[in-house]
Amino acid sequence: GQQVMQIPQYQHVQEGEDFTTYCNSSTTLSNIQWYKQRPGGHPVFLIQLVKSGEVKKQKRLTFQFGEAKKNSSLHITATQTTDVGTYFCAGPGRYYEKLTFGTGTRLTIIP
Amino acid sequence: DAGVIQSPRHEVTEMGQEVTLRCKPISGHDYLFWYRQTMMRGLELLIYFNNNVPIDDSGMPEDRFSAKMPNASFSTLKIQPSEPRDSAVYFCASSIHREGNYGYTFGSGTRLTVV
Repeated sequence: GQQVMQIPQYQHVQEGEDFTTYCNSSTTLSNIQWYKQRPGGHPVFLIQLVKSGEVKKQKRLTFQFGEAKKNSSLHITATQTTDVGTYFCAGPGRYYEKLTFGTGTRLTIIP
Repeated sequence: DAGVIQSPRHEVTEMGQEVTLRCKPISGHDYLFWYRQTMMRGLELLIYFNNNVPIDDSGMPEDRFSAKMPNASFSTLKIQPSEPRDSAVYFCASSIHREGNYGYTFGSGTRLTVV
């Protein structure tokens, strides 16, 4: 079945440093979504990318969808303590409504 | 909008007991999903419904798990009998597919501990 992998699994950064997580799917995706889960919380939808090579920004967050639509990345510039959490990518398989979630990247910030 | 509402937030039960988890999706959302999250296996899709009809239950671990959606505003996930390996956080999520937007809204989850 479809597999979605993320690297790294964990990332510790000093506050103010940049952070990047990478997402790779075993199959071509019609779209890729990103979610953030704070410690003890639930996943919260951040964004959806649809087009090959698409880049979207949300303040300090930059999301990119690969040209082949099999990979994606999330880059955070100048991290803040509010960025702490686990970031998941998710993509649909054969049925567009059914998402497979990536393994997640857990970000911790050293003040 | 109150969002997706799950109950209870926490459940501790003894092995062999029946457990029922409840979910109220966002009004107007036509898809409902049940996920399980553990450290070892991450977020796993158990089952999902479209317009109250189960579409795919291939993620349900075994016959001890069952899910129902009797109407558009309510769904249950039942485990009978429960086992310690069922301990996890169970999330319900809903979505509406409109104008090409497919994002999920998750509930706060139910943390289940089976002792």
